Amino acid sequence: SQQGEEDPQALSIQEGENATMNCSYKTSINNLQWYRQNSGRGLVHLILIRSNEREKHSGRLRVTLDTSKKSSSLLITASRAADTASYFCATGGNQGGKLIFGQGTELSVKP
Amino acid sequence: DVKVTQSSRYLVKRTGEKVFLECVQDMDHENMFWYRQDPGLGLRLIYFSYDVKMKEKGDIPEGYSVSREKKERFSLILESASTNQTSMYLCASSSPGQIYEQYFGPGTRLTVT
Repeated sequence: SQQGEEDPQALSIQEGENATMNCSYKTSINNLQWYRQNSGRGLVHLILIRSNEREKHSGRLRVTLDTSKKSSSLLITASRAADTASYFCATGGNQGGKLIFGQGTELSVKP
Repeated sequence: DVKVTQSSRYLVKRTGEKVFLECVQDMDHENMFWYRQDPGLGLRLIYFSYDVKMKEKGDIPEGYSVSREKKERFSLILESASTNQTSMYLCASSSPGQIYEQYFGPGTRLTVT
């Protein structure tokens, strides 16, 4: 079953601009994570935000979580061509380490 | 660094063949997962395992089985491959202390003809 839905499905920006991706989910969660996937490769964990947190930063990444709206956003500031990838949100609940992934946002950063 | 390896990057098999996809992790992780990834559908969980010889069905287990005889190795088995199992297969692992942070292998792109 799909939990997270990312918006937009695809995003194209110029280098130096900020990129914002959104994720909505349906059920209660313990945490929400963002992963990056370069073309044809495995996923890489970026950042985890717990359900009792509202905002978290890691380098050029900023994640927000609004549990009342069941939504999260990922902001990448000062984007680079190397940020071109697909970005997935994943929610963790009360089922051990099981995650439910969204369908992803495909980000293209043009030099 | 955690390393998760998968036996093949690309694999082509014929309909009806038995297919084994191997995944090995080197960080002593208890938890291991198999996903398939299809365009427009994201990642879907096939099976997962919290310990040796333990397995649990994910969201789409039909047509698949798994084996976990050793802690570091988690195998996905397609008993009789079908064309609708053509997909990218991703293996992941996580530790009990960081159970939600999963480490992924590079993926195996399987084509069933």
